Amino acid sequence: SQQGEEDPQALSIQEGENATMNCSYKTSINNLQWYRQNSGRGLVHLILIRSNEREKHSGRLRVTLDTSKKSSSLLITASRAADTASYFCATARMDSSYKLIFGSGTRLLVRP
Amino acid sequence: EPEVTQTPSHQVTQMGQEVILRCVPISNHLYFYWYRQILGQKVEFLVSFYNNEISEKSEIFDDQFSVERPDGSNFTLKIRSTKLEDSAMYFCASSEQSDTQYFGPGTRLTVL
Repeated sequence: SQQGEEDPQALSIQEGENATMNCSYKTSINNLQWYRQNSGRGLVHLILIRSNEREKHSGRLRVTLDTSKKSSSLLITASRAADTASYFCATARMDSSYKLIFGSGTRLLVRP
Repeated sequence: EPEVTQTPSHQVTQMGQEVILRCVPISNHLYFYWYRQILGQKVEFLVSFYNNEISEKSEIFDDQFSVERPDGSNFTLKIRSTKLEDSAMYFCASSEQSDTQYFGPGTRLTVL
């Protein structure tokens, strides 16, 4: 089964607008993490939210987690051209070595 | 700020050859991982390593793959006889506990 599927697959917004990306998963999790990847580069950790948390903030990032719906959202406020990247959610299950299962990602384009 | 490093950044090899990808995890981290990302696809888990042994491996991680922590700092992934389909970006990650995983910049492996 697929774990950590994001939508939309691609998102194009104007600089200054907010960007919202969603992630759904299928199994019980220990935590959910969001990563950013610039084209052909490494994965940069953005934020981790644990299964007993509902919302976390970090700078312009806001993450929510709804374990009853098995979904999470990442909101980037006041977007900048430098936010252009792919964004992935990744889930860590309780009954594993805490390996991360990644979704397909959302490609975000912020137009200047 | 401590970071995960990987060498080489790009490795080109002939099919059937052995390759060793090297990683230096963050020094006080205890959990180590290898992931790979085929061009345009999801990041996939390969193997996790804790307490000097493999704690979990995926179906991808067959007998052609092995991992080693030869000393207190390096963490290596060996592919014994590379295949064309092993061409991918390989990421090493480490974590202090069962939480945030920090990724290295990756090694791009090209098998000809």
